[in-house]
Amino acid sequence: NAGVMQNPRHLVRRRGQEARLRCSPMKGHSHVYWYRQLPEEGLKFMVYLQKENIIDESGMPKERFSAEFPKEGPSILRIQQVVRGDSAAYFCASSPRTAPYNSPLHFGNGTRLTVT
Amino acid sequence: SQQGEEDPQALSIQEGENATMNCSYKTSINNLQWYRQNSGRGLVHLILIRSNEREKHSGRLRVTLDTSKKSSSLLITASRAADTASYFCATDGTDKLIFGTGTRLQVFP
Repeated sequence: NAGVMQNPRHLVRRRGQEARLRCSPMKGHSHVYWYRQLPEEGLKFMVYLQKENIIDESGMPKERFSAEFPKEGPSILRIQQVVRGDSAAYFCASSPRTAPYNSPLHFGNGTRLTVT
Repeated sequence: SQQGEEDPQALSIQEGENATMNCSYKTSINNLQWYRQNSGRGLVHLILIRSNEREKHSGRLRVTLDTSKKSSSLLITASRAADTASYFCATDGTDKLIFGTGTRLQVFP
């Protein structure tokens, strides 16, 4: 049973370009969470999605950031017009049900975004 | 925010010693989870303890929860060099897990 797959593992973008981060959840998991981690810091919640629905995007900046989890295919975190401050590790996690309710999260190994 | 705060921020010990990490949080919870993160990798779930439980064991891990003090501790007994990692507690916010700032554990052989 494959785990959560994220790609690419490393992504380098120049300021102003777009970054697309992909996440395929574990088989049978319909809940996807995106977190962001700066060096030596904890994970900050960004967005929670179920298939075709954004449930909670309270941690995602209103501008330049968007996320989707279509009926078919991976979840996508999209960052438009990247700035140096977007440089971070972005982690995707999935669960078979809403995470807080007695269900652990399964994490991918992250995408490390570097903006030059 | 219900973000947990781990203490200490960093911990260095010798192999064979025990490591204790603490987590404090701010509001009431349904459960608390502990995760481990090796350098450059994603988080791995270690243990979940429900609010009506006081202690839970898994192998060399022992977790306690004191809801009156809003705190939890993770004890790793007989540590190994392979236990070197960052450890995070996570509490249940509305529809999501809120992670603490982490404890970086270094175990020297």
